[in-house]
Amino acid sequence: RKEVEQDPGPFNVPEGATVAFNCTYSNSASQSFFWYRQDCRKEPKLLMSVYSSGNEDGRFTAQLNRASQYISLLIRDSKLSDSATYLCVVDMYSSASKIIFGSGTRLSIRP
Amino acid sequence: DGGITQSPKYLFRKEGQNVTLSCEQNLNHDAMYWYRQDPGQGLRLIYYSQIVNDFQKGDIAEGYSVSREKKESFPLTVTSAQKNPTAFYLCASSGQGGTEAFFGQGTRLTVV
Repeated sequence: RKEVEQDPGPFNVPEGATVAFNCTYSNSASQSFFWYRQDCRKEPKLLMSVYSSGNEDGRFTAQLNRASQYISLLIRDSKLSDSATYLCVVDMYSSASKIIFGSGTRLSIRP
Repeated sequence: DGGITQSPKYLFRKEGQNVTLSCEQNLNHDAMYWYRQDPGQGLRLIYYSQIVNDFQKGDIAEGYSVSREKKESFPLTVTSAQKNPTAFYLCASSGQGGTEAFFGQGTRLTVV
């Protein structure tokens, strides 16, 4: 089993739609969780951290479910500029950090 | 400005040659990482280091080597033993305690 698994995608949705991504992780001791965004041929950049209580940043909402070991990302009112690959990231932190990326979910927003 | 710098941005290697990719950070981060990304794929962990003079293999370490002699630097050598080295290589660093990772701009390696 992979340490971090994501929805394979690709997702192709119309502008204004709501889209959700899920990601599961295998290590129950994992401490920190993130969503990154990667544009074509660029380095990944932090989209948002994921907290136990959930967090929201504008149109983006991230949730963590420790019991089921998954995190989710919800994008509301999607924009053309949201087209990118979204990467689920887990820090398998025990005594020190080990950051593992999911394989990414490609999102395309169509006009 | 604090950040993480990779060089070169583009690198061409002849078959049978070793090449070294540079990664330097001035963020005072303890942990550093090397990832490989193939077209349309996610990031796969090659090596990581949590402290100076120590590093661990990731999922795809075969054909690669690293060193961590200084906190700021974590160079990656792609050896001739790596049979399919053409890829996008990303270096990252993070502080301890589960903080976010920051990335360099990547190095595109092509075997010619």
